[in-house]
Amino acid sequence: GIQVEQSPPDLILQEGANSTLRCNFSDSVNNLQWFHQNPWGQLINLFYIPSGTKQNGRLSATTVATERYSLLYISSSQTTDSGVYFCAVWGPGGGADGLTFGKGTHLIIQP
Amino acid sequence: DAGVIQSPRHEVTEMGQEVTLRCKPISGHDYLFWYRQTMMRGLELLIYFNNNVPIDDSGMPEDRFSAKMPNASFSTLKIQPSEPRDSAVYFCASSLVRGPKWSYEQYFGPGTRLTVT
Repeated sequence: GIQVEQSPPDLILQEGANSTLRCNFSDSVNNLQWFHQNPWGQLINLFYIPSGTKQNGRLSATTVATERYSLLYISSSQTTDSGVYFCAVWGPGGGADGLTFGKGTHLIIQP
Repeated sequence: DAGVIQSPRHEVTEMGQEVTLRCKPISGHDYLFWYRQTMMRGLELLIYFNNNVPIDDSGMPEDRFSAKMPNASFSTLKIQPSEPRDSAVYFCASSLVRGPKWSYEQYFGPGTRLTVT
């Protein structure tokens, strides 16, 4: 199956800083999503972005499908941005077992 | 809208017992997903439904797991018999597909933390 690697695994920043999280994947994909899991365990779907660039407030994401990577940008970080950020990709088959999650980037924003 | 509702929030059971997890999706959403999260395996998609019909269950780990969606407002994930390795947080999510296929935003429930002793 597709391999998904996220970096860095851990990131500690001060409030107000900017950050870039990376997701590399080993094969072509039909679908790529970014999720945020807050410290209380709640999962939030951030972006559906198989290619191109999208922005939502302080967050934006870019996927370069031909080079098999995606980037999540967080600007002017706030403490509420803390948590784990997951990248997930669907392989060409599209089945439930074809959805692969990365191990996540654990982000801590300090006040 | 109250969002995706899952019950129970916590479940502790003994090995061999039947466990039923419940999910109420957001009204009007046509896709429903069941996920499992463990420290060892991370997040996994188990099964998803479209308009109450199971589309793909290739992520279901074993025959002990089964899922149903009898109507647009309710889905269950059943484990029978349960085993300690089934201990995990189980998430339900729903979405309304717009535009191109697979273009959707998922809304997650709070999860059910299952402990099998």
